[in-house]
Amino acid sequence: AQSVTQLGSHVSVSEGALVLLRCNYSSSVPPYLFWYVQYPNQGLQLLLKYTTGATLVKGINGFEAEFKKSETSFHLTKPSAHMSDAAEYFCAVSDQTGANNLFFGTGTRLTVIP
Amino acid sequence: DAGVTQSPTHLIKTRGQQVTLRCSPKSGHDTVSWYQQALGQGPQFIFQYYEEEERQRGNFPDRFSGHQFPNYSSELNVNALLLGDSALYLCASSWGTSEQYFGPGTRLTVT
Repeated sequence: AQSVTQLGSHVSVSEGALVLLRCNYSSSVPPYLFWYVQYPNQGLQLLLKYTTGATLVKGINGFEAEFKKSETSFHLTKPSAHMSDAAEYFCAVSDQTGANNLFFGTGTRLTVIP
Repeated sequence: DAGVTQSPTHLIKTRGQQVTLRCSPKSGHDTVSWYQQALGQGPQFIFQYYEEEERQRGNFPDRFSGHQFPNYSSELNVNALLLGDSALYLCASSWGTSEQYFGPGTRLTVT
């Protein structure tokens, strides 16, 4: 079974500061890991994903995440926050079976302070 | 190229009623998954359709059912609505087990 824990339901950073959103996963099989962003009243947009290979994954809008198997983590970072980054962020895990359904965390709301 | 589309955008129903939500997948996609996102929560997997068959199902009661048509579009039906069914319902499409693309969702309010 797969599950995701996102530490911190709310994170506030100043504009230009480092963004760090934490995600730990549990999976009995090698996982696929994802970060999605959701703006108010909208669906989910994929930021980045890890399947196999390089453990440092770069995504859209300057975000990146590192898969650390030993820590079962997949934290999301961005060196410099922008006002437009304010949104809800979801970490998700799937297994590698044919169904590929996603298991989501409860989300982290990012606020960027000008 | 249109992405995933869902209809309607918003819906208000009364307890005990039935509702049908619709989803058109992204062009070239053959697999449709449905998720329920309650307020303040992450999306929860309801079920997935492929080749007009339900391939996998999450932990949802039989009141939740679905259908996939030959053109790959899909419907989600919920019978005997409960107040707790109020949520954003998200449809996602993919080509096989590739990356899922999400639609904007249908917000269902049950009163």
